Amino acid sequence: DIQMTQSPSTLSASVGDRVTITCRASQSISSWLAWYQQKPGKAPKLLIYKASSLESGVPSRFSGSGSGTEFTLTISSLQPDDFATYYCQQYNSLWTFGQGTKVEIK
Amino acid sequence: QVQLVQSGAEVKKPGASVKVSCKASGYTFTSYGISWVRQAPGQGLEWMGWISAYNGNTNYAQKLQGRVTMTTDTSTSTAYMELRSLRSDDTAVYYCARVVGEDYYYMDVWGKGTTVTVSS
Repeated sequence: DIQMTQSPSTLSASVGDRVTITCRASQSISSWLAWYQQKPGKAPKLLIYKASSLESGVPSRFSGSGSGTEFTLTISSLQPDDFATYYCQQYNSLWTFGQGTKVEIK
Repeated sequence: QVQLVQSGAEVKKPGASVKVSCKASGYTFTSYGISWVRQAPGQGLEWMGWISAYNGNTNYAQKLQGRVTMTTDTSTSTAYMELRSLRSDDTAVYYCARVVGEDYYYMDVWGKGTTVTVSS
């Protein structure tokens, strides 16, 4: 099974900050990685697929990069609506999620 | 627009079974698969399994093998997830999600979730 590890687990930031979340796979997954945003009591929402492709309707301040085993999600200028938990997910071999990164207000 | 509408909350006793439904609309149901993902209280997301709405092929997470069954009814564009021999640690929100892609498949649209509580 492919394991996904996110860091950090919690991130404190202010509106306007540039935020980066890292996701590492236990083996190469090429570019088969997605990022999701989840707010309390809500379903996850797709942000990025194929490591760097922005889902339709998602603001351009979100971007993804990486391939192989190392990936990042970047929010270029954090907005109030962005405080949430973010999950990476590999889909190279079945599906596995990272443990999540909570972005909270500093 | 693409929607997945899930059935309502359930309360079950340990050892019982639960069957959650997920009705799709806004797209051709048989063109995509459905995955099920659960989230225990305060925890992360756990993939449970996948079913092809085209031919009914399934793939289940190893830890749930033997306890979970996923089915579809193409006449009503509805997917089902049945979990048997429920335990307290099956208490979670259960989500269905549409699975899309060309060679590799990710989840693009999610249902709102169904809360399943297992308690004596």
